[in-house]
Amino acid sequence: SQQGEEDPQALSIQEGENATMNCSYKTSINNLQWYRQNSGRGLVHLILIRSNEREKHSGRLRVTLDTSKKSSSLLITASRAADTASYFCATVPRSARQLTFGSGTQLTVLP
Amino acid sequence: SAVISQKPSRDICQRGTSLTIQCQVDSQVTMMFWYRQQPGQSLTLIATANQGSEATYESGFVIDKFPISRPNLTFSTLTVSNMSPEDSSIYLCSADLEGETQYFGPGTRLLVL
Repeated sequence: SQQGEEDPQALSIQEGENATMNCSYKTSINNLQWYRQNSGRGLVHLILIRSNEREKHSGRLRVTLDTSKKSSSLLITASRAADTASYFCATVPRSARQLTFGSGTQLTVLP
Repeated sequence: SAVISQKPSRDICQRGTSLTIQCQVDSQVTMMFWYRQQPGQSLTLIATANQGSEATYESGFVIDKFPISRPNLTFSTLTVSNMSPEDSSIYLCSADLEGETQYFGPGTRLLVL
């Protein structure tokens, strides 16, 4: 079963706008990772944030982590049509190494 | 980043048959993982495959249905046995390389008729 939920389930924005996706989880974690999946293909790793980190940047991506609220957010700035994909958060618990995935957000960026 | 490949990329199978999916990593890894993604859903962990020991299965998945092999540190197979249409999914393998980051193969898209 999924560790947590993501919202929104679907998000549609215009090119150039920012997209924010949220992820909540239930148990203590070692790290949280964000992935992108295009049209049911393989997952592309975007960014990893550790439990002792609060914010991380990678290009147009900004990830935050609030362990007190057990939540994370992924911000994509200046979105492009090529950003259209499903985005998943996934957590790694303290005592293991396998990922537990959230429910995912389907992002559509309109040209 | 590491390269993880899977074969086949897709297949259409008849119910009652079995399919073996191969996963190859371009570097040695201790742990490999197998996930299932049912249509329109997120990923669910099937099992963790360690070299030299039996795979560890998650709740709801059993070895008779999803036997796994891990003969060395770069390769693993997952067999989907006695398939039914409910097994139609994307099956993905992954490995945690570079310490904590998990990388995924491109997936195997399975359709069972």
